[in-house]
Formats: sequence, C-alpha cells, structure tokens
Amino acid sequence: RKEVEQDPGPFNVPEGATVAFNCTYSNSASQSFFWYRQDCRKEPKLLMSVYSSGNEDGRFTAQLNRASQYISLLIRDSKLSDSATYLCVVNVIGPGGGNKLTFGTGTQLKVEL
Amino acid sequence: DGGITQSPKYLFRKEGQNVTLSCEQNLNHDAMYWYRQDPGQGLRLIYYSQIVNDFQKGDIAEGYSVSREKKESFPLTVTSAQKNPTAFYLCASSIGPGGKYGYTFGSGTRLTVV
Repeated sequence: RKEVEQDPGPFNVPEGATVAFNCTYSNSASQSFFWYRQDCRKEPKLLMSVYSSGNEDGRFTAQLNRASQYISLLIRDSKLSDSATYLCVVNVIGPGGGNKLTFGTGTQLKVEL
Repeated sequence: DGGITQSPKYLFRKEGQNVTLSCEQNLNHDAMYWYRQDPGQGLRLIYYSQIVNDFQKGDIAEGYSVSREKKESFPLTVTSAQKNPTAFYLCASSIGPGGKYGYTFGSGTRLTVV
C-alpha cells in the first residue's frame, strides 16, 4: 500500500463549480499534513496546512479525519487559475528514524469556461 | 528576499558523465532535501540532511551523492551509475527536521541526458 494515495484525476470542472479532492495515508503516527499546489513544469508550493479541527483559507477548506486516515480539500467557486495539480503531503518516519514529508502523486484539476 | 536557489535551470549531460546540481538557501533552515520527479509521477526522495555534516539516504539514493558542508548549501551529484537520470530535480528546505511546517522548494533543475 502506498504511504499517501490520491485519485490522479483529471477532474474537469466548469468555472464556478465546487470540487473536492480526497487523500488517504497509511502511517497512523503521522503528525503533519499539507496540501501543495504544483503548476505544470513548476515547483510545488504550499497551499495550506491541514489541522484536525479543519481549516479554511478563502475558497479553500481542508479537513483531516485521523480515525479514517483521510484528508480532504474543498475548492469553492473554482477559477480558471485554480487549474493545477494538487499534492497531498504527510510526514512519516524515514528509514534512519528522521521525520520527512511524503508526497502523493497528485490530483489534476482543470477548470474550464 | 529569502529563498532557495537552484542552478542551473536546465542541464544537458552526456551519458557517462557526472554532473552536480546546486542548491543554496538563505532561509536559515536546518534541514534540506533532494527530490526527483518524472513525468506524470510523484516526488521521490533521493537524500536529505537535517544538520550540517550529516545526511541520510532517501528512497532512491543509488547513483547519487550529496554533501552538506555548509548550512546554506546542499549540492547533489548525479553520477554515471544512475541509470535513468533524465528528470526534474527539486531541492527543498524546512525550518526543523521532519517538515513540521512544510517545505519550501527551489524552482528546480531539468536534467536531460543526451
């Protein structure tokens, strides 16, 4: 089982739509969770951290369910500029015992007119 | 402005040659990381370093080497032993070990073997 799993998509949605992405992780000891955005041929950029109580940043809402080891990202009122790949990111214990972040393969979103 | 600088942006290498990718940060971050990304695939960890003069292998370290002689610098050498070196290489850093507050990425180096 992969450490972080996401539906690769693509999700093709009309402008103004609400879209939700899901992610599951395998390590129950994980403590830090994030959503990153990656534009085509660019580096990933931090979109938002994910907290147990859920958190919102403008049109974006992130939720964490520790019992189910499940993370979600909701985007409301989609814009053309939201088109990108969204990466689910979780920290895990590395082979040497150190913490490190593990990235999902990403979910591609295409917002269309 | 603080950030991570990777150079060069594009790099072409002949088969059998070693090549070194530069990564410099002025964020005063302790930990630094190297990832590789292939088309349509996720990021895979090559090496990481949590403090100066120490580093650990990631998931795909074979054919790569690193050094961490200064806090600001974490160069990656792609050796001739790496069988499929053509990829997008990303360097990242974090305030402390483990990326509790997330990673900051450089803009990447695209390596092509010709």
